[in-house]
Amino acid sequence: QKEVEQDPGPLSVPEGAIVSLNCTYSNSAFQYFMWYRQYSRKGPELLMYTYSSGNKEDGRFTAQVDKSSKYISLFIRDSQPSDSATYLCAMKPQGGSEKLVFGKGTKLTVNP
Amino acid sequence: EPEVTQTPSHQVTQMGQEVILRCVPISNHLYFYWYRQILGQKVEFLVSFYNNEISEKSEIFDDQFSVERPDGSNFTLKIRSTKLEDSAMYFCASSALRDTGEQYFGPGTRLTVT
Repeated sequence: QKEVEQDPGPLSVPEGAIVSLNCTYSNSAFQYFMWYRQYSRKGPELLMYTYSSGNKEDGRFTAQVDKSSKYISLFIRDSQPSDSATYLCAMKPQGGSEKLVFGKGTKLTVNP
Repeated sequence: EPEVTQTPSHQVTQMGQEVILRCVPISNHLYFYWYRQILGQKVEFLVSFYNNEISEKSEIFDDQFSVERPDGSNFTLKIRSTKLEDSAMYFCASSALRDTGEQYFGPGTRLTVT
């Protein structure tokens, strides 16, 4: 089983839709969960950062972590064409390694 | 807003040549990283660096790779003898604190080895 799995999509939605992006993982030591947005041929941009389980909201973005299911989600409300990008989940354990382990990314297109 | 910068944006080199990729991390950050992303694949960790020494490296980071902080602002990745399979986007990242996961990435250097 891969350490972090993410459906690569592509995912295409109309403007204004609610988008749900997900990752599953196998390493129960992961405690830090990040979502990055990556535009084509650009660097990953940190969007959301969560420690352990729970929800975190920032504007139109909500990150959820369910450690019991080893499942994390990113919701985008009122999606805009400018949200079109690849969304990467990343995780790391607490203590020890500083290495971020990434999912493969989900390519999202929001159509006007 | 402070950001990580990288130069060059694109580097083309011949197999066997040495390349140096440069990064300027965010100014008050203390922890530095290199990652790479081969086209169509995941972002992969290469190395972390703190207090002028490597703190962690992956299996990819073999003897052909080295990192250095030559002065107070730059952080470099050197590949001694490039191979075709080194072609990838190389991202520098930095963080202010250890063990938070909040790593901020630069725009990347696209390395093409011919």
